[in-house]
Amino acid sequence: AQKITQTQPGMFVQEKEAVTLDCTYDTSDPSYGLFWYKQPSSGEMIFLIYQGSYDQQNATEGRYSLNFQKARKSANLVISASQLGDSAMYFCAMREGPGNQFYFGTGTSLTVIP
Amino acid sequence: NAGVTQTPKFRVLKTGQSMTLLCAQDMNHEYMYWYRQDPGMGLRLIHYSVGEGTTAKGEVPDGYNVSRLKKQNFLLGLESAAPSQTSVYFCASSYLHLGVTGAYTYEQYFGPGTRLTVT
Repeated sequence: AQKITQTQPGMFVQEKEAVTLDCTYDTSDPSYGLFWYKQPSSGEMIFLIYQGSYDQQNATEGRYSLNFQKARKSANLVISASQLGDSAMYFCAMREGPGNQFYFGTGTSLTVIP
Repeated sequence: NAGVTQTPKFRVLKTGQSMTLLCAQDMNHEYMYWYRQDPGMGLRLIHYSVGEGTTAKGEVPDGYNVSRLKKQNFLLGLESAAPSQTSVYFCASSYLHLGVTGAYTYEQYFGPGTRLTVT
């Protein structure tokens, strides 16, 4: 079974609108972490936001927030007030296990339309 | 602070040749990782290390070896390169720390990537 599933290969959003990128995960480890990364066309991987499995509140970092629904095993990324510079690939990832193994989804390509 | 650096940035190998990719971090992170990224497949973990002198296999370890002799360096070796190892390789390091909310949080920092082509 896939550890991380991103079902939206491509998304479009109007500039200044909010957008939600979906991510579901699969783990039996009670202690895990969920991450979102941005990969612009230049290729570098940029850390956006982290949510720990024991965190009670949803993580927020500026315009990024993580909608963590533990029972549903989902960790959706919400980008508010989209900007043209947000156009990129977005990857959801999970850390689990004593060795902190990481698993990545296949990514969602976001295009912001002026 | 250079962060995470990778050497080289590009390399072309012939089938059967060997090479070593070097990852270096100056943030004193305990954990280091090697990933490969192929089109449409996201990143897949090759090997990782939870501290100096330790290494472990990830999701796709076959054909690769690693060493972590010093905390700041994590080497990825290809003993006999194959065309299937054509990929972009990313190194990353991470640490656990207390965040501003009072909860522990992880951050993972990536190097710029190495584009390897095996012909």
